Amino acid sequence: TQLLEQSPQFLSIQEGENLTVYCNSSSVFSSLQWYRQEPGEGPVLLVTVVTGGEVKKLKRLTFQFGDARKDSSLHITAAQPGDTGLYLCAGEDSSYNNNDMRFGAGTRLTVKP
Amino acid sequence: NAGVMQNPRHLVRRRGQEARLRCSPMKGHSHVYWYRQLPEEGLKFMVYLQKENIIDESGMPKERFSAEFPKEGPSILRIQQVVRGDSAAYFCASSPNMNTEAFFGQGTRLTVV
Repeated sequence: TQLLEQSPQFLSIQEGENLTVYCNSSSVFSSLQWYRQEPGEGPVLLVTVVTGGEVKKLKRLTFQFGDARKDSSLHITAAQPGDTGLYLCAGEDSSYNNNDMRFGAGTRLTVKP
Repeated sequence: NAGVMQNPRHLVRRRGQEARLRCSPMKGHSHVYWYRQLPEEGLKFMVYLQKENIIDESGMPKERFSAEFPKEGPSILRIQQVVRGDSAAYFCASSPNMNTEAFFGQGTRLTVV
């Protein structure tokens, strides 16, 4: 089972639409990261959220960390074809006391022109 | 400041050969993570290392796979007697310490023929 569950798994929308993707867990995270990965490349860090209830904006992307620090969402406004990619959330698995970083399976977003 | 460097970018091995994947972390980073990614899937944690120590190898197969991060030089992921099922993209990430953001290399794409 995944420590972090991401939904939806796949999302295909038209340019200009808004969308939200989710990252959920039963565990509490000290911080949570969102990455975007394009085909043939490594994941690129978009943002880190640390405080419960925190909201961070990155141009048309809005990231929110749940109050209980168990979940997060990514909202994209007026999506563009350049937003196409695999969106991954990751967090430290403190239950092992090793704090190694675990990933969700990702949401694969396609934005059609 | 160079990013995380992985080499080779592409590696082809015949069944039964050994594969050695190298990861040079960012300057000043002493924590390294290795992940495996199959096509159309997310990142699966394999191993977490600090300099000269394996912190968590719970995601790594017990046989044929090993990892090291020596005091000097890159981190090495070694796969002995490769099989077709080992074909995947292998990513490493580095961070300066625990509970901080990790940055990824571009990956090594291993193909076993």
